[in-house]
Amino acid sequence: QVQLQQWGAGLLKPSETLSLTCAVYGDSFSHYFWSWIRQSPGKGLEWIGEINHGGSTNYNPSLKSRVTMSVDTSKHQLSLRLNSVTAADTAVYYCAKATKKWILRNSYDYWGQGTLVTVSS
Amino acid sequence: EIVLTQSPGTLSLSPGERATLSCRASQTVSSNFLAWYQQKPGQAPRLLIYDASNRATGIPDRFTGSGSGTDFTLTISRLEPEDFAVYYCQQYGLSRTFGQGTRVDIK
Repeated sequence: QVQLQQWGAGLLKPSETLSLTCAVYGDSFSHYFWSWIRQSPGKGLEWIGEINHGGSTNYNPSLKSRVTMSVDTSKHQLSLRLNSVTAADTAVYYCAKATKKWILRNSYDYWGQGTLVTVSS
Repeated sequence: EIVLTQSPGTLSLSPGERATLSCRASQTVSSNFLAWYQQKPGQAPRLLIYDASNRATGIPDRFTGSGSGTDFTLTISRLEPEDFAVYYCQQYGLSRTFGQGTRVDIK
C-alpha cells in the first residue's frame, strides 16, 4: 500500500514561487514516475509534469519554462517549484503515483490529499 | 495536444440504472492509453480504469471501460448510491490531458 502526503504554502502573492513537497510511504519509490497535477475551476485537471527516482523529468510544455521538479531519494520525497505565479495558478495541487512500473505513459493510481494554493495580492 | 471531450456534461439517473459516459479524443489515442477516474467533493480523483478497459485494483466489476482510437466509453452497469460523483477521462498516449468531466447526479 502506498500513501502520499503533501504540504506547502497555501497563499502566495503574484510573482512569488510556489513550493510543494510530497512524501511517499511504501517501498516502491524507485519503481515509478511521480507526477504533479493541478485542478482549478477554470482549467479543470492539468498535468504539470513527472519525475523518477533518478531525477529524470518530463514537463507539460505549457508550464515548462516555470517548473522545476526534484527528488530526495533518501527521504522518498518529491518537490515542485513553480515560479512567477499569477492568479491563473490558483488551484488544488496533487502529487500522484504512476500506475505501472518503469514507464512514462501512465495513469495515476495513488494521489496525495491535495493542497489548495491561492495566488492573490 | 489531444483534447478530450466528455459527454454528457451531466447525467441524472436513479440508483440501479445503467450509466453510459462518453469520452471523445481530438486525435487517436495511441495504444488506447486512456484512463477513467471518479472524484467526489473534497477528494482526490480515484482511478477506475486504465489502458481503456483494465479495472484498477479494488474496482467493482460494475465499472467497465471500452473503446479505442478516438471514442471511449465508461459504463456503470447498475448505479449504487456511492457512484454519484464526477467522472474524468485522461489520455497518456501523447503527453497527458484530461477531459472536463461528466457529473452523475441522483435523479
